Parts: sequence; structure tokens; C-alpha cells
Amino acid sequence: EIVLTQSPGTLSLSPGERATLSCRASQSVNSRFLAWYQQKPGQAPRLLIYATSSRATGIPDRFSGSGSGTDFTLTINRLEPEDFAVYHCQQYGGSTLYTFGQGTKLEIK
Amino acid sequence: QVRLVQSGAEVKKPGASVKVSCVASGYIFTAYYIHWVRQAPGQGLEWMGIINPGGGNPTHNAQKFQGRVTMTRDTSTSTVYMELSSLTSEDTAIYYCARELRQTCYFDYWGQGTLVTVSS
Repeated sequence: EIVLTQSPGTLSLSPGERATLSCRASQSVNSRFLAWYQQKPGQAPRLLIYATSSRATGIPDRFSGSGSGTDFTLTINRLEPEDFAVYHCQQYGGSTLYTFGQGTKLEIK
Repeated sequence: QVRLVQSGAEVKKPGASVKVSCVASGYIFTAYYIHWVRQAPGQGLEWMGIINPGGGNPTHNAQKFQGRVTMTRDTSTSTVYMELSSLTSEDTAIYYCARELRQTCYFDYWGQGTLVTVSS
């Protein structure tokens, strides 16, 4: 089973700044199968990025994803107040095995 | 529009079973897989299993839940069910259903979640 480790656990930034969130895999991940989700308190997760770098429908272009192999990054430019939330990465590793990272909380500084 | 609507909160005693439903609308039910994902209080997301509403593969549970989780579907009502047995306090969590377009391996729509509390 591929383990995803997200860092940092908590990121404190101000609106207008850039956020860089990391997702590191214990084994190489097919870049087609790496996704990112945003989750706000009391809400279900929302798909942001799929296939490492493709934005889901309706996601602003200040959100971008990159990476390959074992290292993946979610970048959020010009943070807006509504961007402060928890972010989860997720991968599919074959044999019907899906795993998530433990999440990064992005909070207002 | 696409909707996944889940059944309401449940309170169960240890050792009991719980059955959560997920009603799909706004799309062709059999064209997408349905997954179940849970989230314990203050914790991350945990994948539980996948069901193909069209029948056949893939219908598979994570090894951790083998023998305790049963996923079924009713195509006449576009509903997927997840039953979890032999509940313990560690099963207290919000349970989500989520949709996957076949073989894309990500979840584009999620249900609103169902809180299952296991307490004596």
C-alpha cells in the first residue's frame, strides 16, 4: 500500500500570500492518479485537482498542481479568505487501492 | 445537477451493524463507480471500498474492512448501500459516498456525509 505524507501539518499564511503544500508518496505514483481535495469545516471534500495538474470544473486558476514520481505539490497563489481549509491528497495505486494523505490545514495567520 | 444524498445520522451500540444509503441523481447511475470514504473525528480521510453500480468488477473493499463491510446497489432507485458490522467505538466517523467516472481514479462528487456514532 502506498502511504502519502502531507507537509506541513498546519500552514499559517495571510490573504494574498502564496501557499505551497506537499504530498510525498512512499512509492512512485502514476501522475494520472494523483488528486487534491479541499475540505471546509462541516462540509464534504471538494475535488480541486486531478491527474496531478488538471483543475476540476469551476476551480479558479490560482490553484495549480505539479509533481511526479513520489513528490507532488499543490500551489495556491494570492490566497483568498475562502481558501483557508484542510487540503487532502489522494492516489490510486492499482489493485483497487486508494489512499489519502493525512491532510494539511491552511489557517489564517 | 449531480447529487448524492445520504441517509441521516445513526447511533449504534457496540457489536451492532449500520446501513447507510446514498441516492444518486442527475447522471447515468451505472456509468460511475461509487466509493465509500470515512473520516473519524479530527482525522483524515480513509478509503473503505468501491462498488460498480452496473454490476461486476470492481467491487472491492479495503483489506482493513474485509469481512465487515458489504456494499450493495439498487438500480431501480439509483441507490447504493454500505453496511458495516461488528461496530466498535473506533467506527465512530462521518461516512461519505463519492462518485468516480470509470477508471479515472478520483472522486468528483461527494455525498453530504452520514455521522455514525458508536456508543454504549
